Amino acid sequence: EAAVTQSPRNKVTVTGGNVTLSCRQTNSHNYMYWYRQDTGHGLRLIHYSYGAGNLQIGDVPDGYKATRTTQEDFFLLLELASPSQTSLYFCASSDELGGNQDTQYFGPGTRLLVL
Amino acid sequence: GQQVQQSPASLVLQEGENAELQCNFSTSLNSMQWFYQRPGGSLVSLFYNPSGTKHSGRLTSTTVIKERRSSLHISSSQTTDSGTYLCALAPLTEGADRLTFGKGTQLIIQP
Repeated sequence: EAAVTQSPRNKVTVTGGNVTLSCRQTNSHNYMYWYRQDTGHGLRLIHYSYGAGNLQIGDVPDGYKATRTTQEDFFLLLELASPSQTSLYFCASSDELGGNQDTQYFGPGTRLLVL
Repeated sequence: GQQVQQSPASLVLQEGENAELQCNFSTSLNSMQWFYQRPGGSLVSLFYNPSGTKHSGRLTSTTVIKERRSSLHISSSQTTDSGTYLCALAPLTEGADRLTFGKGTQLIIQP
């Protein structure tokens, strides 16, 4: 079964702080995704990647950067965190693009609180 | 406008009753998936079902493309079925490289 891990699981920071969320998948999937989940909005795509060195902009990218350093590792960077970025963040991976012919496998999530 | 709408937003049933969850979409479909989100956060894939009917234990997913809807049926519900059920689609054209999620149905099964 696909394995996607995220760290940290919980993070508290202050407004203006610098935060990096990490995601690792160990199934040689090509595609990785970062989502945020908020009450009333559901899951929204922030950034995604086709492979190492590649970055694609999602639906809610403002205030976020991302970097895919290897096939396994995908990072989400908040360089000037704001309270509006308080959310539950999920990383996911898939072998095929989007939802085509394959499911996405999700990590356990990271709860971020920006004070 | 919103591409994916789920109904009902919440559903409370007694253990043993059947649950019917709906997902309606407003775009041509490339793929449809159903996920279960445990209380506390993580998502688990239930079905990849772009068309037709699929079964897994007490769960049945039916996607009817012409009617632009997908449903998830849970028979003989159990308290452990409680949680949030999310449908997600990838459209056929613009945005085909990503999933768009509905807001979910919160299911509560009472003993």
